[in-house]
Amino acid sequence: GAGVSQSPRYKVTKRGQDVALRCDPISGHVSLYWYRQALGQGPEFLTYFNYEAQQDKSGLPNDRFSAERPEGSISTLTIQRTEQRDSAMYRCASSLSPGAAGELFFGEGSRLTVL
Amino acid sequence: GIQVEQSPPDLILQEGANSTLRCNFSDSVNNLQWFHQNPWGQLINLFYIPSGTKQNGRLSATTVATERYSLLYISSSQTTDSGVYFCAVPPGSGGGADGLTFGKGTHLIIQP
Repeated sequence: GAGVSQSPRYKVTKRGQDVALRCDPISGHVSLYWYRQALGQGPEFLTYFNYEAQQDKSGLPNDRFSAERPEGSISTLTIQRTEQRDSAMYRCASSLSPGAAGELFFGEGSRLTVL
Repeated sequence: GIQVEQSPPDLILQEGANSTLRCNFSDSVNNLQWFHQNPWGQLINLFYIPSGTKQNGRLSATTVATERYSLLYISSSQTTDSGVYFCAVPPGSGGGADGLTFGKGTHLIIQP
């Protein structure tokens, strides 16, 4: 597609449920990043992939969070046993270049609300 | 990891005014991006500017990498310029997580 596409745009779930957030990067982009943005804050890095390989997951808050990109294109961020503190905007970005030197382009985000 | 500080945190201007937003960072970096988060939450790329000066219409940016800062200039502000402006940098020479580190942003309100 023309830009980074994320779904769902909005997700309301009850505490304890699992959620899966999807990201479809710009066609041909090698790197894919997941960020989380709390209200009034800047985006914070969660994890990143070059092709299908997860290069860095140091930003994932705990083991309830996981991400995959099995074919080097679409990625899924999964949050198990959601908690209210997981409520935030989850943003995906992609870059043509591997590594951190390339320009990142962000999708419109998935806003998660955990009740 | 690298630290990013943006100033001012908040700015309220009248339509037509000019403004300068600043981004300081704590380590040597090989790129820097400016983004505009509009009131609908979209994060829009403004500049990819590792060094030097770039201009795009009423907006321009300058990065002085050796002195670890970047400036974003907005001239003849319009109400559509309202929102939060973020700068973001990759890990510095000291290492850190691979993704961009964002500042806390400058919240800009342009009043008609």
